[in-house]
Amino acid sequence: NAGVTQTPKFRILKIGQSMTLQCTQDMNHNYMYWYRQDPGMGLKLIYYSVGAGITDKGEVPNGYNVSRSTTEDFPLRLELAAPSQTSVYFCASSYSVDMNTEAFFGQGTRLTVV
Amino acid sequence: TQLLEQSPQFLSIQEGENLTVYCNSSSVFSSLQWYRQEPGEGPVLLVTVVTGGEVKKLKRLTFQFGDARKDSSLHITAAQPGDTGLYLCAGAHDLNAGGTSYGKLTFGQGTILTVHP
Repeated sequence: NAGVTQTPKFRILKIGQSMTLQCTQDMNHNYMYWYRQDPGMGLKLIYYSVGAGITDKGEVPNGYNVSRSTTEDFPLRLELAAPSQTSVYFCASSYSVDMNTEAFFGQGTRLTVV
Repeated sequence: TQLLEQSPQFLSIQEGENLTVYCNSSSVFSSLQWYRQEPGEGPVLLVTVVTGGEVKKLKRLTFQFGDARKDSSLHITAAQPGDTGLYLCAGAHDLNAGGTSYGKLTFGQGTILTVHP
């Protein structure tokens, strides 16, 4: 059971370039999330999704876009990369409407914008 | 918006000391979770508390959920260098959160714990 898989693990982008961070889960979870984590800090929610076709903004959505065409996949798109988007990005999923909801995280994508 | 305030943000202590991390909100959560993250890895679940007033123990770690299900604490007894890491609390939104928020997890900003030998 793979859980949550993120690709790539590392990426260096030039200012103004774009890229898509891939996230897929094989647990049939309805909730999926994208977080960013700056050095020495906690998690900030970028976008989340409650199911296929439904997405919503988190705390820090500017400069990012998401889509959720299937239950399994939740890609995060960066358009016009900026140095402020240098961070570690984590994708997570959870199976909701249960009091013991647990979030499962991917290994993270370390992105540097230069 | 249901927010979780975690304190302190940074904690640096000597091996053998005790510590408490707090997670507070003005909103009610259906459950509250604590995660631990090691460098280079994603967060991993430590415990879930679901009942107001609940106390759970995991070896030297004691987790408590407030009676009103708005706050939680993590107490570590006799901290060891292996406890070093980022500790995150997360609340699961309850039915009163409304809309599509039911079941969604909201994370606190985290507490970075460093235990020195």
